[in-house]
Parts: sequence; C-alpha cells; structure tokens
Amino acid sequence: GAVVSQHPSRVICKSGTSVKIECRSLDFQATTMFWYRQFPKKSLMLMATSNEGSKATYEQGVEKDKFLINHASLTLSTLTVTSAHPEDSSFYICSAMTSGRHNEQFFGPGTRLTVL
Amino acid sequence: GENVEQHPSTLSVQEGDSAVIKCTYSDSASNYFPWYKQELGKGPQLIIDIRSNVGEKKDQRIAVTLNKTAKHFSLHITETQPEDSAVYFCAASRRYGGSQGNLIFGKGTKLSVKP
Repeated sequence: GAVVSQHPSRVICKSGTSVKIECRSLDFQATTMFWYRQFPKKSLMLMATSNEGSKATYEQGVEKDKFLINHASLTLSTLTVTSAHPEDSSFYICSAMTSGRHNEQFFGPGTRLTVL
Repeated sequence: GENVEQHPSTLSVQEGDSAVIKCTYSDSASNYFPWYKQELGKGPQLIIDIRSNVGEKKDQRIAVTLNKTAKHFSLHITETQPEDSAVYFCAASRRYGGSQGNLIFGKGTKLSVKP
C-alpha cells in the first residue's frame, strides 16, 4: 500500500507553546488529507479534512484557530496546535487519500503529543 | 448521517482458531468498507477493503463479506497467529466511484491471539 509519514513521532512541550506536526504522502499525490485525534482505547475522531490549496474543513466542535491546518502541496499537510494545554495531549494521526475511482485512505504512524 | 456499530469490543482466541468481527452501518448509500489494523502506538494500517459491487473478498488468511440488504459486513481471520493481535477498526463511507465521503469508524475490536 501507499506510504504516509508523520513527523515528529513524539513531542513533549510546555503549556502555552505551539507544536507543528507534518504529514507527507511519500509515493503518491494526495489532494485530500485528514487529521484525526485518538484518545486511549478509543476510536479515531476526525478533526478536519484538508484539501490542497484550499482552507480545511473542520468537524463540529474542533477549534480552527487552535488547530491550524495547512495543505501546501499534494504531498504535505501540517497541523499546528497553538497555545497547547495539557488537555490537548493526545495521539494525532494524519491520513492521505488517493484520488480517482478507488479512493483508498492510508494512515500515518501517528504523533504522540504530551503537553506539560 | 452514517453510524457504524462494531462487535465485539474485545475478542480472545487461541492460536490457529478463526476470528470474526462484525459491523453494521446505517446509511444505505455507503459503498466502501475498509478494515484497519492498529498495533499499539502506531497508526491504522489498511488490511482489506470491499466495495458495494461485490459480496466477498479474500486475501490469504483475511476475508471480508458484505450483505448490503442487511447492511452489515464482517472481517474473518483464519488460522490466527499471535502477530494478529491488535485493534481492528471497520469503517464505512460513500467513497467508491470518485465520491469523497468521510470514513465513519466503528469503535474497534481488540483481538488477542493466545499462543
């Protein structure tokens, strides 16, 4: 299957700082990327859908000013958690979708964010 | 909107036995049903998917069946091995044929295969 990378895999930051997470599709172009948040032993919660060259579409209850998403190219999307607080600590997973008739969706390895 | 129910939430089997995980969906327009395997601390990995134009798909020890009338689909793992232990998620969407519907996930099944 297609490969999606995420960087960093783990990050620890102080409360009030901002953290940027990168998501890259390594061997295919992704017009659409997704950002999920996953709490321990829970399912994936879609935060936003990101389309290359346009503004992200956020799910209800997700603060767009806190979770900034930029889909600058067909292979890169970034999620910036601004003014992070301990409650933002979570596992963040990005996903990229292939285009065309078979819109398969492949996930990155995830980023563990811990806010102290 | 779409709602996906997944059962069981936990499943424990002996090595070599079969494991079956079942999901139901509510949106009759959903036409793409992937299954993901997630190991601890990692992102979900697509293991198999099925589209609404077929009723069954098999890939080595893994198979998926789809009943559109009843709106349910199942994952079957035969000859289970300890490395099959993970959390499995089903999902449904209006994705086949170029549509861009979001994946709606089930709550996951933690599969444990005992040696």
